[in-house]
Amino acid sequence: DIVMTQSPPSLPVTPGEPASIFCTSTQSLLDSSGHNSLHWYLQKPGQSPQLLIYLGSYRASGVPDRFSGSGSGTEFTLSISRVEAEDVGVFYCMQTRQTPLTFGGGTKVEIK
Amino acid sequence: QVQLVQSGAEVRKPGASVKVSCTAAGNSFTDYDIHWARQAPGQGLEWMGRISPNRGDTNYAQAFQGRVTMTRDTSISTAYMEMDRLTSDDTAVYYCAAGNDNIFDYWGQGTLVTVSS
Repeated sequence: DIVMTQSPPSLPVTPGEPASIFCTSTQSLLDSSGHNSLHWYLQKPGQSPQLLIYLGSYRASGVPDRFSGSGSGTEFTLSISRVEAEDVGVFYCMQTRQTPLTFGGGTKVEIK
Repeated sequence: QVQLVQSGAEVRKPGASVKVSCTAAGNSFTDYDIHWARQAPGQGLEWMGRISPNRGDTNYAQAFQGRVTMTRDTSISTAYMEMDRLTSDDTAVYYCAAGNDNIFDYWGQGTLVTVSS
C-alpha cells in the first residue's frame, strides 16, 4: 500500500498570513500521462470533506485562488497565500495512483 | 452536479450487520463510480472500496475484504454499503463519494454507525 504522510499534524495560523502543508508518499504518484494522482481535501468542522486541489495542482471549481498545490513524484505542498478564518478545519492529501486509495493523516489548521 | 444523500444514523450490537444507502440526485447515476470511506471518531479518513454503477463491478480495500459488500440499484439511483460482523472498532461516520477518475467532487453528508452492546 502507498503510505501518505502529512506534516505538520497541527498548524496554528494568523489570518492574512501564508501557510503551507506538506505531503509525502512512499511511491511515486506520477502516472504515464504526466499527471500526479494526488488530491487535497478540506474537512471543515462538522462537515463532509470537500475537494480543493486535484492532480497535484488544479483548483477544483469554486475554490479560491489563495489555495495552490505543487510538487511531483513523492513530495507535494498545499499552500494558502493568505489564510482566512473560514479555512479552519482538517486538510487531507489523498493518492489515487493505486488501490487501496489512501489518505494522509490530516493537518488541523486553526486560528491563533 | 450530483447530490449524494445518505441514509440516517444506525445503532447496532456487536456481531450484527448494517446497510447504508447513498442516493444520487441531479445527474445520471451511472456517470460516476461510487466510493465509500469511513472516519472513526476524532480520526482520519479510510477508503473502503468502490462500485461502478454502470457494470456493478467492485473493488474493496483488503482491510474490508470478506466483510463488506457494495451493491447498487440503478432503477432508484442508489448505492449500498453493507458491513457484517460489526465490532466497536467499526463505530464511525461512513461517507459515500463520487467523481471521475477517483477524484471525489461530490460527497454524501455521512452516516454515523454506532456499534455498542
